[in-house]
Parts: sequence; C-alpha cells; structure tokens
Amino acid sequence: DAGITQSPRHKVTETGTPVTLRCHQTENHRYMYWYRQDPGHGLRLIHYSYGVKDTDKGEVSDGYSVSRSKTEDFLLTLESATSSQTSVYFCAIRPRDSSYNEQFFGPGTRLTVL
Amino acid sequence: AQSVTQLDSHVSVSEGTPVLLRCNYSSSYSPSLFWYVQHPNKGLQLLLKYTSAATLVKGINGFEAEFKKSETSFHLTKPSAHMSDAAEYFCVVSDAGTNAGKSTFGDGTTLTVKP
Repeated sequence: DAGITQSPRHKVTETGTPVTLRCHQTENHRYMYWYRQDPGHGLRLIHYSYGVKDTDKGEVSDGYSVSRSKTEDFLLTLESATSSQTSVYFCAIRPRDSSYNEQFFGPGTRLTVL
Repeated sequence: AQSVTQLDSHVSVSEGTPVLLRCNYSSSYSPSLFWYVQHPNKGLQLLLKYTSAATLVKGINGFEAEFKKSETSFHLTKPSAHMSDAAEYFCVVSDAGTNAGKSTFGDGTTLTVKP
C-alpha cells in the first residue's frame, strides 16, 4: 500500500460541467501521475508532476489541467467535461527511493459524463 | 522513444496448465520493464520488475518473466494457472533516460482461466 487515495471514487456528471479529481498521498513522494484507462488502450498518461507547482503534459492532455500546490495533493481538472472523457482515472506515484521508475497506483475514480 | 506491444489481447488457459503472456518492447535506453496485474474493478498491482540485475525475474504469486535483449521481449509465465489468476495484465516499459520516470503501457492481455 503506497498510501494513495483518490476522491471521489465514482462520479456522474453532465457535459459541460467542470470536474476536479483529487489524488492524495501520505509519504512525501516527489513524482505523481494521472492516467486514464479505456478498454483496449491500457493506461495513457494525462499529466504528471515532479514537484510542487512543477507539472508537465502527457500523451492525452487535451481537455485536462492539473495543479499541485502541496506535495501530498495532485488535482486533475476537466474544465468542461465531454462524453469522451468518460473513463476510469488512476493516480500513481513513483517512490522516492526508486531507481527503476516503478509506479504504484491509487484505487481509481470512475467518471461518467452524460 | 519507448513503446510496448502485448501480442495477445486475450489468452485462455485451463486451471493447472502453464500461462504465457507475450510482450515486446522498444527502447532507446537501457529499459526498466514491469508487469502489472489488474483484477476486475480493482487498481493495478506490480507483479514484477526487470532492472538489469538478472534476466530471469521472479514476481509474486508464482509469476516469472525473462528479459531477452536480442528478441526485445519480456514474456510473463507461470507454470500452473489458478482460478485467481484471471485478470488483466499490463506490460510496461520505462527508459532509464526518460524524464520524470514516464512509463508506457501496453494495451493489456485479458487472462481467462477455465476450471
């Protein structure tokens, strides 16, 4: 257990509304990641963070923004949700003592955009 | 650049028979390679990792994987499947030189275990 929690765990929202997902970790890890998981696509990186206020885009960043004002929290925001953003979202961390880039994942948030 | 291809989207085996899940990778640097397992409606759990210390890697729950540089492969095996092994499996590559430890996931292989 890497001490990662995600909230909410499930959310249903309507097209055009803003949505924020939260990832919280308790072990002071520097690197945090947001992925989305869709059938047949594995996990795809949305954004990642390498420190407080240090973030960068992943391969599917369009329509998403992130913020990290504290080490322990990494927020993913959908400014105006669309049906194509219906997905399961996973947060991950890379342990501080890792030399090999393994990541550990939170339990996921299932988001449905109607 | 890094990429990974899981050669089978679905694999079905009978309980007690061997499991083989195939993965090929591409990497510009010395890669780290991982296998993760995801049981239905659950998160991802790290099964094993290759870190260049040994080409045959042992993981949890009796799984192993062999790194073959000449074939750019990292196939996952288990001698005898259990019903509890039914899940989705992901092969993952991360270049040692990748900024911020970014990883690339394969599309996944769904393992079905028949009684």
